[in-house]
Amino acid sequence: KAGVTQTPRYLIKTRGQQVTLSCSPISGHRSVSWYQQTPGQGLQFLFEYFSETQRNKGNFPGRFSGRQFSNSRSEMNVSTLELGDSALYLCASSLEVADYEQYFGPGTRLTVT
Amino acid sequence: AQTVTQSQPEMSVQEAETVTLSCTYDTSESNYYLFWYKQPPSRQMILVIRQEAYKQQNATENRFSVNFQKAAKSFSLKISDSQLGDTAMYFCASTGNQFYFGTGTSLTVIP
Repeated sequence: KAGVTQTPRYLIKTRGQQVTLSCSPISGHRSVSWYQQTPGQGLQFLFEYFSETQRNKGNFPGRFSGRQFSNSRSEMNVSTLELGDSALYLCASSLEVADYEQYFGPGTRLTVT
Repeated sequence: AQTVTQSQPEMSVQEAETVTLSCTYDTSESNYYLFWYKQPPSRQMILVIRQEAYKQQNATENRFSVNFQKAAKSFSLKISDSQLGDTAMYFCASTGNQFYFGTGTSLTVIP
């Protein structure tokens, strides 16, 4: 069974631009969560989607948004990029909601210049 | 809000020795799960071990075991017979309405 895939793997953007990251979960997994990972901050929860509905949202500004499609694939969007948005963005999928093990993708490394 | 605390930012251990990584958490949930994840350098995060809070028996996975102290809200990871491939960042996590992660412990196994 294929693992969680994320595209693109690396991205360089300029302040003020917007970016869309994509995540394909493991086949059969219906829950997708997004995290921002920065040195010293660990993993910060962005949001979780289940069956195309956002279940939970972390403490991030409205510039961060996401969605999930009927095939469970998910995208996250960051508008009006800031230098502080530079991070590794991780996607994780699980069969159901957050009670179960999460399986992580390789991440998208976003650099904002 | 729930919190997960890993008080050891960096640790090192000699190959073949045993090391213990500490984790404490704070939750008001009555039923929850605890996890240790491993993130090798430039590689994908993988699950090391999982513990259901309602189970008193400590989970074990080969060389990895946990010491789960529910009353103290402590969840430490013991790695026995450390190998070079154990060099990684280790994250402790707990569940509530979402996953809560600690800030990680960077473990280096020294040959």
